[in-house]
Amino acid sequence: EVQLVQSGAEVKKPGESLKISCEASGYSFPNYFIGWVRQMPGRGLEWMGIIYPGDSDTRYSPSFQGQVTISADTSINTAYLQWSSLKPSDSAMYFCANALESWGQGTLVTVSS
Amino acid sequence: EIVLTQSPATLSLSPGERATLSCRASQSVTNYLAWYQQKPGQAPRLLIYEASNRATGIPARFSGSGSGTDFTLTISSLEPEDFAVYYCQQRSDWPQTFGPGTKVDIK
Repeated sequence: EVQLVQSGAEVKKPGESLKISCEASGYSFPNYFIGWVRQMPGRGLEWMGIIYPGDSDTRYSPSFQGQVTISADTSINTAYLQWSSLKPSDSAMYFCANALESWGQGTLVTVSS
Repeated sequence: EIVLTQSPATLSLSPGERATLSCRASQSVTNYLAWYQQKPGQAPRLLIYEASNRATGIPARFSGSGSGTDFTLTISSLEPEDFAVYYCQQRSDWPQTFGPGTKVDIK
């Protein structure tokens, strides 16, 4: 069974860094893209970017280019989404999703002073 | 970036009624259009891919049609569990984009 399990909810202050994770199982992780989708409170879905773990080829949506970093570690079948300096506007639910149409359960990120 | 618009924003219907949801793309996406259902507190669930193909396990009451720029999701007879938000998504070009959603609520 294909599964994506995300790390737990985070509460951070503006300016702090953060890295959230998405552990994949049940399929060949290097061979299928995996990416991140943002959902702000009460709003719709936005693709942030995707990574092909096999060669680390990464594509970002223009809205998120330079704002976040997507990476993957094929030795532990895990994808990551990271921020170097969080803003309150980064408060949202973040989902990982892969090319096999599996989704993680979501990670709630709250940024508040 | 391809922009998707969905109509109506909200659809108020009763169980057993037929729901017709529309999605329009700012340029042709051929048939690379998917539909998702999302319930509160849950991840989206794929219903339809490539405009008209039901995903695994999706009941036959869900059907999709269209090509180019105009697409439709039809729920032939609403079940209580179908009241949710529905998003279309284009997969023709990166970045893949979603429409703003249609909320189907109970009348």
